[in-house]
Amino acid sequence: NAGVTQTPKFQVLKTGQSMTLQCAQDMNHNSMYWYRQDPGMGLRLIYYSASEGTTDKGEVPNGYNVSRLNKREFSLRLESAAPSQTSVYFCASSEGPPSGANVLTFGAGSRLTVL
Amino acid sequence: KQEVTQIPAALSVPEGENLVLNCSFTDSAIYNLQWFRQDPGKGLTSLLLIQSSQREQTSGRLNASLDKSSGRSTLYIAASQPGDSATYLCAVSSSGYALNFGKGTSLLVTP
Repeated sequence: NAGVTQTPKFQVLKTGQSMTLQCAQDMNHNSMYWYRQDPGMGLRLIYYSASEGTTDKGEVPNGYNVSRLNKREFSLRLESAAPSQTSVYFCASSEGPPSGANVLTFGAGSRLTVL
Repeated sequence: KQEVTQIPAALSVPEGENLVLNCSFTDSAIYNLQWFRQDPGKGLTSLLLIQSSQREQTSGRLNASLDKSSGRSTLYIAASQPGDSATYLCAVSSSGYALNFGKGTSLLVTP
């Protein structure tokens, strides 16, 4: 049971480089989310997707783009990485709509360092 | 904006103790509250979900209570074990689409 799979687990970028974080879930969940976790800040929602083909901004969307490629996959792209985007990124999914009434299943995280 | 606070930030107890982790939130108009566990370098595991109409939820040695009017939740862990060592996160849903997380309580249970 893979659940939510994130790749890569670790990445080091230079300022200005671009990269895409990949997320896939095999639970047939409808909703998917991207969070970032920073020391002393807790987890903050970047973007979410209620269904295939739809995406919406969360609390901290600036500097990021997302794609809900299909029901299984939700990618997060950094077009021009900045040191402020150094963080641990978590992908999550839930069966129902993103109303918060669902149990979220989280991936193991992707640790990104921007130099 | 909903603010979620967890006290204490860190806690160390000997094995076998019963312990309480606290979570408070500023806006009592919530949909639900969840407690998560996070192991070092790992993702989050949902422990308990309390709907706004409920007062408490139990799972094994864990019991979570919710008092919406006072903006408080507690996670009670009975007979703690070293395997309970982790960071415990409280998250509140009140905006309809996002969970507002606290910063967590880092728990260490020593043998």
